[in-house]
Parts: sequence; C-alpha cells; structure tokens
Amino acid sequence: KAGVTQTPRYLIKTRGQQVTLSCSPISGHRSVSWYQQTPGQGLQFLFEYFSETQRNKGNFPGRFSGRQFSNSRSEMNVSTLELGDSALYLCASSLAQHPSTDTQYFGPGTRLTVL
Amino acid sequence: AQSVTQPDIHITVSEGASLELRCNYSYGATPYLFWYVQSPGQGLQLLLKYFSGDTLVQGIKGFEAEFKRSQSSFNLRKPSVHWSDAAEYFCAVGPPGQNFVFGPGTRLSVLP
Repeated sequence: KAGVTQTPRYLIKTRGQQVTLSCSPISGHRSVSWYQQTPGQGLQFLFEYFSETQRNKGNFPGRFSGRQFSNSRSEMNVSTLELGDSALYLCASSLAQHPSTDTQYFGPGTRLTVL
Repeated sequence: AQSVTQPDIHITVSEGASLELRCNYSYGATPYLFWYVQSPGQGLQLLLKYFSGDTLVQGIKGFEAEFKRSQSSFNLRKPSVHWSDAAEYFCAVGPPGQNFVFGPGTRLSVLP
C-alpha cells in the first residue's frame, strides 16, 4: 500500500505570493491533518479534515486555509506569504475519525522557503 | 490545555549503550500517548503508542515505553542503541477530539 504522498517536495516563493500544497493520504484513510514544523516553534497543528469537513483548526492566522476533496486528497493554501512561513509542512493521514486516537501516518513533507 | 515536555534537547550515547528519553505530559484525563521518530529530511514514523491497558508498551525497532500516571510520564527506552537510531524523537499526546500536541523533540546522537 502506498504511503502518504506530498507534492511538491520543495518550493521557493517570495513574500506576498501564495502557495498551494497537496497531500494524498493512504488509500482508505479519510482523515488528513496538517502540521507546520519550524526550528523555533517545533511541530504545530494546522488543521484536521475528515470526509471533506474541517474538524479542528490550530492557532494560525486566516492566511492559512485548507480543504479536502471527496477522494480524501487534501490541499492547504497560504496566502500573502511571510518570511516566517518558511517551514516543513507535514501531512498525516489516519483511518479514525479522530486522528488523535489513532496512528497517524506522515508524508515526507513539503519544504517551503519564502524569500 | 494539554502540553508535552521533553526535558532533554540533545542526548549523545555510545553505540550499544542503553537509552532513555524523557517525556512528561499535562492533561486532565488519561491521554493517548505516542512516540514518533524523524530522520533528517524525512517525515515522522510512529514508534509506539499507548491508549490503555498494560503500561509497558512495545514498539518497533526494539523500543519500549512505560506510562506512569503518577508521574505524568511516558519515557522511551531502548536497551542497546544502534548508529541508525540517530534521529529526532517526538513525544505526543492526542486527547480524543482535540488537537494533537507534540513535544519539542529530543535529538539523539550516537557515537561509534
């Protein structure tokens, strides 16, 4: 069974631009979560989706948004990029409706650099 | 709100030595607890998890962890470390229905 895939793996953008990251979960998984990882803040929860509905959202500004499609694939979008948005963005999928109660399988991440 | 602390930012051990990584959590009830490992440039891989039952949990790659409610701890152990264990280790708590919270991580270096 294929793992969680994230595209692109690397991305370079400039301040003020917007970016869209994609995540394809493991087949059969309907729950997708997104995390931001930075050296200063560590791993921080962004959002969680289940069956196309956002179930939880972390403490991030409205510039960060996401969605999930009927095939469980998910995208996250960051508008008006700031230097501080440079990070590794990780996607995770799980079977359970509440991923906090189940094993989450992580993708390799998308490394976003904002110049 | 729930939180996770990992007191050791960086630990160095010799290959073949035993290892214990500390994790303390703050949560009102019995949480769901996890240990993940991240190799450089990679995503996270689950080592083990505790939901209920036996407080000593066995995981992959020879790791185990013990849940101690009285100490709010979930320390990760390995009896003999291999060079390939060098990585960053994250403890996490997943209160049902709430956001998943990771600790700050402990970087493990292994000396030959």
